Amino acid sequence: AQSVAQPEDQVNVAEGNPLTVKCTYSVSGNPYLFWYVQYPNRGLQFLLKYITGDNLVKGSYGFEAEFNKSQTSFHLKKPSALVSDSALYFCAHTPGSYQLTFGKGTKLSVIP
Amino acid sequence: DAGVIQSPRHEVTEMGQEVTLRCKPISGHDYLFWYRQTMMRGLELLIYFNNNVPIDDSGMPEDRFSAKMPNASFSTLKIQPSEPRDSAVYFCASTPPGYNEQFFGPGTRLTVL
Repeated sequence: AQSVAQPEDQVNVAEGNPLTVKCTYSVSGNPYLFWYVQYPNRGLQFLLKYITGDNLVKGSYGFEAEFNKSQTSFHLKKPSALVSDSALYFCAHTPGSYQLTFGKGTKLSVIP
Repeated sequence: DAGVIQSPRHEVTEMGQEVTLRCKPISGHDYLFWYRQTMMRGLELLIYFNNNVPIDDSGMPEDRFSAKMPNASFSTLKIQPSEPRDSAVYFCASTPPGYNEQFFGPGTRLTVL
């Protein structure tokens, strides 16, 4: 089955340090991959997506993600974490339709 | 522009009662999705519509759940009768033509006692 996996339930990082939230995919054909963020008591917000082209995708709020075909990964990164980045992050995939399949989510805590 | 609007934001009801959740998608969007989020099961797609027509309802848990989209600006998700295990946050999302990004509403937190 085509899917995405987020191997970490929680990631803790100190404010100002670089952060990485991991996502791996198991998809046949060209993967269409997304990152969403959910702040407490809010709906999910779109951060960025990879369809084709450059392997480094830049998105909202200073986030970027690197598509790595050989490692089947699409990790979310930010050079310097802010306390306000603390939230739940979801990796998602679509086979080319409009239906998204989400990973289980990773809780990011940025410690002051 | 207003985002996706959901009402009510919170609903507390007793087991056996009918519950209706409402969603107004962003104007011009042609896909509408209903999701359920729980700690145990994460984010689950329940049903989605394209141009007001249901496309895939395979995620609807059972016959107690039903969804309608009578026009492009309104959709409902109904649970009848409700059960405690239906307690969750229900999200509505919409997508503009030609794009994959989904725009989510703030959710309805449902508690069934």
